Amino acid sequence: DIQMTQSPASLSASLGETVSIECLASEDIYSNLAWYQQKPGKSPQLLIYYASSLQDGVPSRFSGSESGTQYSLEINSLQPEDEGDYFCQQSYKFPLTFGSGTKLEIK
Amino acid sequence: EVQLVESGGGLVQPGRSLKLSCLASGFTFSNYGMNWIRQAPGKGLEWVASISSSSSYIYYADTVKGRFTISRDNAKNTLYLQMTSLRSEDTALYYCARDWYFDFWGPGTMVTVSS
Repeated sequence: DIQMTQSPASLSASLGETVSIECLASEDIYSNLAWYQQKPGKSPQLLIYYASSLQDGVPSRFSGSESGTQYSLEINSLQPEDEGDYFCQQSYKFPLTFGSGTKLEIK
Repeated sequence: EVQLVESGGGLVQPGRSLKLSCLASGFTFSNYGMNWIRQAPGKGLEWVASISSSSSYIYYADTVKGRFTISRDNAKNTLYLQMTSLRSEDTALYYCARDWYFDFWGPGTMVTVSS
């Protein structure tokens, strides 16, 4: 199975700052990676698919990138509504696997 | 507007069965692969099962293989998850989600396995 190692587990940042969340795949997943945001008590929402494609309706301050088997989600100009949990997920091979999640707190 | 609505969750004793449903609307259901994903209380996301648009391809997580069955009825725009031999570790909020990138999710249905 492909392991997705996500870091950090939590982070706290101020309004307007830029943060980055990383996911390391245990093998090449050929850009087949998605990022999701989950707000408390809500269902996850797709932010980024295929490593860097922005889902319709998602603000452009969210962006995704890759370098080898390392994938990153960057959030620019943090807003209060960005607080929540973030998960990466590989869709290259079954079983589909998620990262363990990152809890983002806005100070 | 794409909508997915899960139902069928509840409290069930260990070893018993339960069948979840996910009613889809707002898109051509028969054109999309569908998935079940679960989230134990306070935990992360765990993929459970996937089914292709015509049911030709079906995949399961090892944790549920042999106990859970995913199916769909394209005429009824409905996805199912038949769960048998339920265990306490199956306690979770069960979501259905569309496509191989989970681009739309339902609100989930809670399954609690406890005596």
